[in-house]
Formats: sequence, structure tokens, C-alpha cells
Amino acid sequence: DTGVSQDPRHKITKRGQNVTFRCDPISEHNRLYWYRQTLGQGPEFLTYFQNEAQLEKSRLLSDRFSAERPKGSFSTLEIQRTEQGDSAMYLCASSLQGTETQYFGPGTRLLVL
Amino acid sequence: AQTVTQSQPEMSVQEAETVTLSCTYDTSESNYYLFWYKQPPSRQMILVIRQEAYKQQNATENRFSVNFQKAAKSFSLKISDSQLGDTAMYFCAFMKRSTGNQFYFGTGTSLTVIP
Repeated sequence: DTGVSQDPRHKITKRGQNVTFRCDPISEHNRLYWYRQTLGQGPEFLTYFQNEAQLEKSRLLSDRFSAERPKGSFSTLEIQRTEQGDSAMYLCASSLQGTETQYFGPGTRLLVL
Repeated sequence: AQTVTQSQPEMSVQEAETVTLSCTYDTSESNYYLFWYKQPPSRQMILVIRQEAYKQQNATENRFSVNFQKAAKSFSLKISDSQLGDTAMYFCAFMKRSTGNQFYFGTGTSLTVIP
């Protein structure tokens, strides 16, 4: 078991471009979470999946953001028409339903120029 | 809504000494979980310790222990025999037991262990 992995680790893009991030959870975990962390702040919840179903979305998740988990395994987070305010670390975490501990990936650091 | 407050943005401690990090939270829930996560520089967050609110006994994990005061809504982390590898950002987090999904994090405390 290699833990939660995220790809890419770093992304630099120009304002207005679309970006997509991938998260691979721990293999037996059926819950997957996305968080955003800006400098000097704790992570803020964006959305979570149980298997392939997206069960909750934060108000932080604007219409430009979309997340999928098509087969209940890996997940993607897409940001369309990026803005400078989207610059942040995007964290993915996974857990097993019935347990509460979330295991975090290394994050994808996004910089929008 | 749940809020988590960490009032100490930065702290330092001498190696081998003991340090306590503070966390308070606000909730109307009665069943919940509390966590401390550690985020070393440029590395991923890892769980330090967790506490179930319905348990009165304070959780301990080797050199790490908590002081959970449910009535005061306080959840402090004590690190004993501090080691250089304890240098990290520490986040306190709250989770409602009813939904068991999202964490609510504090803003973190940056801890530096001085050799």
C-alpha cells in the first residue's frame, strides 16, 4: 500500500486556462475527499465521494470546479477558466467508511499567473 | 457551523522539553471526533492523535497526549520529549460523528524544535 497519491505535484498555469488534478486513494478506501489549503490557513473542505457518488459539495466549489470519481477508485478535480484566486494547495484524502481517520496525499500546488 | 480556533500561530521548544499546543472549537453537536494532524515542511499531513468526544479518557500516542475538556470545548496537544522531527505545522480538526465526512480545520500552529 503506497498511500494516497496525487498528480501533478505542482502546476503553473495562466489565468483562463483549465487544469485537472488526479488523486489515487488508498485502494480499499471507499471515501475520497478534496480540500483546498491557502497560505497560512488550514485545509478547507471542497467535496467528498462515497464510492462513485458525490455526496457533498462546499459552497467554496464554484461552477468552475468539477470533481468526478467515475469508478469509485481515482478521482479528478477540474478547474475551468482558472483565476489567480485559485492559487492554492489542493489536498486529497481518503478513508474507509465506518472509520473516521482520513489519510492525506501530498497535495497539488497550483499557481495561476 | 463548526469553528476551530488555534490561537498560537507559532511556537518553539527546546529539544527534549515539553510543549502544549492549544485548540478550542465551537459546536452544538454532542457526538464528534477531534484530531491533531502534523504537516512537516513540504510533506503530507499525517495523523498524530484522535479523540472521540464520548470518551472521557484522554487519548495518548507515545510522546503525544491530549487534554480534552468537553465542557470548555478545548482540545490541547502535549508533546513530551520534543524531537527535531516534531518540527511541523500542527492542525487541530473537528468532525461531526453524525455525518462522518468533512473535517473542519484550525489555522494551524507552526512548531519549531530547537536543538
